[in-house]
Amino acid sequence: SQQGEEDPQALSIQEGENATMNCSYKTSINNLQWYRQNSGRGLVHLILIRSNEREKHSGRLRVTLDTSKKSSSLLITASRAADTASYFCATAGGSNYKLTFGKGTLLTVNP
Amino acid sequence: DAGITQSPRHKVTETGTPVTLRCHQTENHRYMYWYRQDPGHGLRLIHYSYGVKDTDKGEVSDGYSVSRSKTEDFLLTLESATSSQTSVYFCAISEGGRANYGYTFGSGTRLTVV
Repeated sequence: SQQGEEDPQALSIQEGENATMNCSYKTSINNLQWYRQNSGRGLVHLILIRSNEREKHSGRLRVTLDTSKKSSSLLITASRAADTASYFCATAGGSNYKLTFGKGTLLTVNP
Repeated sequence: DAGITQSPRHKVTETGTPVTLRCHQTENHRYMYWYRQDPGHGLRLIHYSYGVKDTDKGEVSDGYSVSRSKTEDFLLTLESATSSQTSVYFCAISEGGRANYGYTFGSGTRLTVV
């Protein structure tokens, strides 16, 4: 399976700090995506990074991709209490064009 | 979520009964997906559709069937519900295949089989 695995499983930080979450996967990919899920809600797409890209930014989000290490990281800068959510990486690659999701990182941002 | 709705939002049903969940989209996207979310397993793909009447199985399709007679509707049916199918079900849509686009998810259906 090319399912990504997020690390850590849970992360607790103070408002204003940066949060870094990592994702590792096993097989080659076409792209990697990050999603956020607030408690009791559906997933929201945050960012997509293609296999030929190394870094991508969107507002306070920075995503890196290292295909040689089969890993990605999501950095949220200057975190806010509203960033409290679960974050999932999802991969698509090879002949499987459907997204495969990891189990997520639960981020808690304390006011 | 904008452009995609799931119904019902919550359902409690008895073991052995049939259950149908509905996903409706107004985005005219070709691709639609059904996932289930369980603690410790993340999201797992049940079935997906790449067009009207075109569907295929995901990784956990046993016990589920789907139908898509119109672009906007994707139905998930549990023919005979079991307790192991207690879960939160999410529908998603995407503009294109090959996962080159982000998915838009519905708000989910919480199904309890007693």
